[in-house]
Amino acid sequence: EADIYQTPRYLVIGTGKKITLECSQTMGHDKMYWYQQDPGMELHLIHYSYGVNSTEKGDLSSESTVSRIRTEHFPLTLESARPSHTSQYLCASSGTGRVEAFFGQGTRLTVV
Amino acid sequence: GDSVTQMEGPVTLSEEAFLTINCTYTATGYPSLFWYVQYPGEGLQLLLKATKADDKGSNKGFEATYRKETTSFHLEKGSVQVSDSAVYFCALSRGSNYKLTFGKGTLLTVNP
Repeated sequence: EADIYQTPRYLVIGTGKKITLECSQTMGHDKMYWYQQDPGMELHLIHYSYGVNSTEKGDLSSESTVSRIRTEHFPLTLESARPSHTSQYLCASSGTGRVEAFFGQGTRLTVV
Repeated sequence: GDSVTQMEGPVTLSEEAFLTINCTYTATGYPSLFWYVQYPGEGLQLLLKATKADDKGSNKGFEATYRKETTSFHLEKGSVQVSDSAVYFCALSRGSNYKLTFGKGTLLTVNP
């Protein structure tokens, strides 16, 4: 069973607010990912990291930023939330030599 | 680039019906193939995987066989249950240093 945690599970916030979505894993995985899932279910990779102090932008352009200061922690930040940021955000991790990824339960963000 | 194409949904079945969700892929080399499942309000869970040609992945009554000649990895279950209602994603990875590539997802609804 994978141990990857996302908080909060649900967040409703006003336009212009700064938010941070938390993602932590206890498996010592080196690779971590953030996906944005649109209402049509499709998954879009927005950020990934292959280790501490390594972050890359994914396939879908995003106004969010990420950091990887510790192996187990990969937070995502939006400096100024907008209604267009309303979505489900999924964090995932994968270990050295592993090809499959393990997902957290997701954060459903609503910006009003 | 890599891509995954899976049958569009939604798929609606009666309980105990046979399920097939088609998945084909395009990738160089010999990718690993996966099926993930997403239950309502949850993150993705790895359902099964296959890492080389002719491998059969299986879990919870679901099966999929890696067919190199047809570049396919179709998901099957002989008798679905209401609890199988979820979104199913086919995915591939070309190795531990590569990101997962997902299909667009197929929504399955099983009626009693």
